[in-house]
Amino acid sequence: GQQLNQSPQSMFIQEGEDVSMNCTSSSIFNTWLWYKQEPGEGPVLLIALYKAGELTSNGRLTAQFGITRKDSFLNISASIPSDVGIYFCAGQLPGGTSYGKLTFGQGTILTVHP
Amino acid sequence: NAGVTQTPKFRVLKTGQSMTLLCAQDMNHEYMYWYRQDPGMGLRLIHYSVGEGTTAKGEVPDGYNVSRLKKQNFLLGLESAAPSQTSVYFCASSYAATRAGFFSYEQYFGPGTRLTVT
Repeated sequence: GQQLNQSPQSMFIQEGEDVSMNCTSSSIFNTWLWYKQEPGEGPVLLIALYKAGELTSNGRLTAQFGITRKDSFLNISASIPSDVGIYFCAGQLPGGTSYGKLTFGQGTILTVHP
Repeated sequence: NAGVTQTPKFRVLKTGQSMTLLCAQDMNHEYMYWYRQDPGMGLRLIHYSVGEGTTAKGEVPDGYNVSRLKKQNFLLGLESAAPSQTSVYFCASSYAATRAGFFSYEQYFGPGTRLTVT
């Protein structure tokens, strides 16, 4: 099946630092989504991207849809302790038969030290 | 507007027992999904539904059955639980939104059910 390679697998940073993570695929996607999952909760949608080259922000979070349509990036600026969690990327393949099925990355575990 | 809800939140089963997990959404979404999440494995699709009365297999369907008798509910059943089914189960729902000239399906997740099979 399709695979998304998400990196890094984990990050340990100090409060105030910036964070970058990315996802790459061997397939082209027409939608990239970024989710955050806090301990004991379900994933929550942070940012959705629909066009190659698109750059979208949500507060301190900025995500980009790669030009090749095979990758996406998420940056968090000036991290704070509540940024702790697992961040997932997800891609949607083009075509009418995907029925909304998403391919998920393995997740990036973010730890922020005060 | 509760979004996606799941019951129960926790459950412990003995090997061979059966149970049903309930997912309900109040957003009038056509599409619903069941995932399992295991450490280091990300989210894997078990079954999904594109509308009331329809179901289809996902990536890891063996040992599970599903039903979508009502649009707002999606049930996941384990007929004979095995220790390998110990996991956290998430339900999600979506709708077809027109974005940049195509349909995009942003999925919204429930809070999860933590299942342990001993």
